[in-house]
Amino acid sequence: DAMVIQNPRYQVTQFGKPVTLSCSQTLNHNVMYWYQQKSSQAPKLLFHYYDKDFNNEADTPDNFQSRRPNTSFCFLDIRSPGLGDAAMYLCATSRSHQPQHFGDGTRLSIL
Amino acid sequence: LAKTTQPISMDSYEGQEVNITCSHNNIATNDYITWYQQFPSQGPRFIIQGYKTKVTNEVASLFIPADRKSSTLSLPRVSLSDTAVYYCLVGDEGSNYKLTFGKGTLLTVNP
Repeated sequence: DAMVIQNPRYQVTQFGKPVTLSCSQTLNHNVMYWYQQKSSQAPKLLFHYYDKDFNNEADTPDNFQSRRPNTSFCFLDIRSPGLGDAAMYLCATSRSHQPQHFGDGTRLSIL
Repeated sequence: LAKTTQPISMDSYEGQEVNITCSHNNIATNDYITWYQQFPSQGPRFIIQGYKTKVTNEVASLFIPADRKSSTLSLPRVSLSDTAVYYCLVGDEGSNYKLTFGKGTLLTVNP
């Protein structure tokens, strides 16, 4: 049973056209995270929500934003995607400080 | 966060026991050691976490010597499906909010 669900698995957008990636969870975890993973690199944390509190990493570009309307859902918004934003985007959840559970990611391509 | 050093890659054969060692010379008193596994086009998956001595679960064992400056992930009788990247992470419970992935070890299991 998929517990952290990311849709779609593959997303194609045009250069500069806003795009939203979605993540949902059935674990009722209070923390949700977004990571960016480029080819042959390790995942890099963009930001996370602890309950409703948003925590942005210092080096996350302003182009990236997030919304968490409720416990189960979290969205990643890329306002004006550039070619360098092509990557796999991973959503993860955890119950407070427990180990994280990851979804299988959305691979974003920029035309 | 303590820095970790792992081999970039390892090769093994089906049925062998594989040991991946991670060095973390600057580990702090409150730090735990956590291993994640990542298959291509999937999110990382939590394998095991430990603080000292030995931890075993249904998929792996984690050996931690008394000085805790290194740890060894042991995979018994690997199969082709264990081919993946394995990440060693070190940090306290609070750092589970900010997973900092190193380069990881690409394990290739050959027939």
